[in-house]
Amino acid sequence: QVQLQQSGTELVKPASSVKISCKASGYTFTSNYMHWIRQQPGNGLEWIGWIYPGNGNTKYNQKFDGKATLTADKSSSTAYMQLSSLTSEDSAVYFCARSRYYDGYYHVAYWGQGTLVTVSS
Amino acid sequence: DIVMTQSPTSMSISVGDRVTMNCKASQNVGSNVDWYQQKTGQSPKLLIYKASNRYTGVPDRFTGSGSGTDFTFTISNMQAEDLAVYYCMQSNSYPNTFGAGTKLELK
Repeated sequence: QVQLQQSGTELVKPASSVKISCKASGYTFTSNYMHWIRQQPGNGLEWIGWIYPGNGNTKYNQKFDGKATLTADKSSSTAYMQLSSLTSEDSAVYFCARSRYYDGYYHVAYWGQGTLVTVSS
Repeated sequence: DIVMTQSPTSMSISVGDRVTMNCKASQNVGSNVDWYQQKTGQSPKLLIYKASNRYTGVPDRFTGSGSGTDFTFTISNMQAEDLAVYYCMQSNSYPNTFGAGTKLELK
């Protein structure tokens, strides 16, 4: 079965960077889009972007241009998101989530458990 | 960006109730709307895709409808395990955008 295992909680300092991971199993990693979504404390969901691990193509929400960088390692079936120049506004839970293609339609169907990033001095 | 306006923000409901919530898009998104359920401390779970298609294993008390700018999500016979926040999301154009959520609480 599809599983997305994310890395653990991060406590990081302002102005630093953090790289969180999402290890995929149970499917062909290179053939499915991987999305990243942010959820700030007590807030709703924001779409950050996706990466297609098969060729490394990415699509970002302009709001996260320069903030988030998505990469993927085919050898380990792991997707990564690096967040840079962190501020308190970046404190959130970050989810990776895999697309599913069915009936001519892509939709985000499988979610990781989330990674809590707290930015504090 | 397309704004997805969900209503109501919250609902006080009883087990057995019929629950209806709405999502209005700021522009035409066709049928490219999905609905997610998020329980406290958990990841969102896909319930409905492409406006009206129930995802694998989702009970038939959950239904979705709509197209264009107006979408509806219904729980026909509310169960205690359905207490959660429900989100709509459009994937018609980038960036994908979510509604702010509808929280279901017990009366």
